[in-house]
Amino acid sequence: KAGVTQTPRYLIKTRGQQVTLSCSPISGHRSVSWYQQTPGQGLQFLFEYFSETQRNKGNFPGRFSGRQFSNSRSEMNVSTLELGDSALYLCASRGGPGETQYFGPGTRLLVL
Amino acid sequence: ELKVEQNPLFLSMQEGKNYTIYCNYSTTSDRLYWYRQDPGKSLESLFVLLSNGAVKQEGRLMASLDTKARLSTLHITAAVHDLSATYFCAVEVEGTDKLIFGTGTRLQVFP
Repeated sequence: KAGVTQTPRYLIKTRGQQVTLSCSPISGHRSVSWYQQTPGQGLQFLFEYFSETQRNKGNFPGRFSGRQFSNSRSEMNVSTLELGDSALYLCASRGGPGETQYFGPGTRLLVL
Repeated sequence: ELKVEQNPLFLSMQEGKNYTIYCNYSTTSDRLYWYRQDPGKSLESLFVLLSNGAVKQEGRLMASLDTKARLSTLHITAAVHDLSATYFCAVEVEGTDKLIFGTGTRLQVFP
């Protein structure tokens, strides 16, 4: 069974640009969550989606948005990039209650 | 608001020794996870603990959960160099898939 996949793996952008990251969960998983990891703030929750509905959102500005498609794939978008958005963005999926949440390899974003 | 405290932040230990990482959390939860992260890599799932008194073991790692004390431990037995990594505990907010992570424990095992 293939794991969680994320694309692209690396991105370099400049301030003010926008970026879209993609996440494909494990086949059959309908729950997808996104996290941001930085050396200063650690791992912070961004969003949680289930069956195309955003169920929870973390304490991030409105520049951060996301969506989930009918095939459970998810995207997150960051507009008007700031230097502080440089981070590793991780996506996780889970199949059902009692299962662990599996993380993808991450997208490393560098904002110059 | 759920808060997760993990200690120690850094652990340098000799091969063959035993040690324990602690994870305390502030409000009730019925799921706690342990993950491992190697430098530059993603999070690898180690354990998910679902109920009070749960204990799981894999190789030299053993995790336990005490929901009444809101405490989980990750015990390392006879450490080997391959265990060098950063270990995170994460607590699930009840009724959601949202994880609140601890700060991580950077483990370094030396000969």
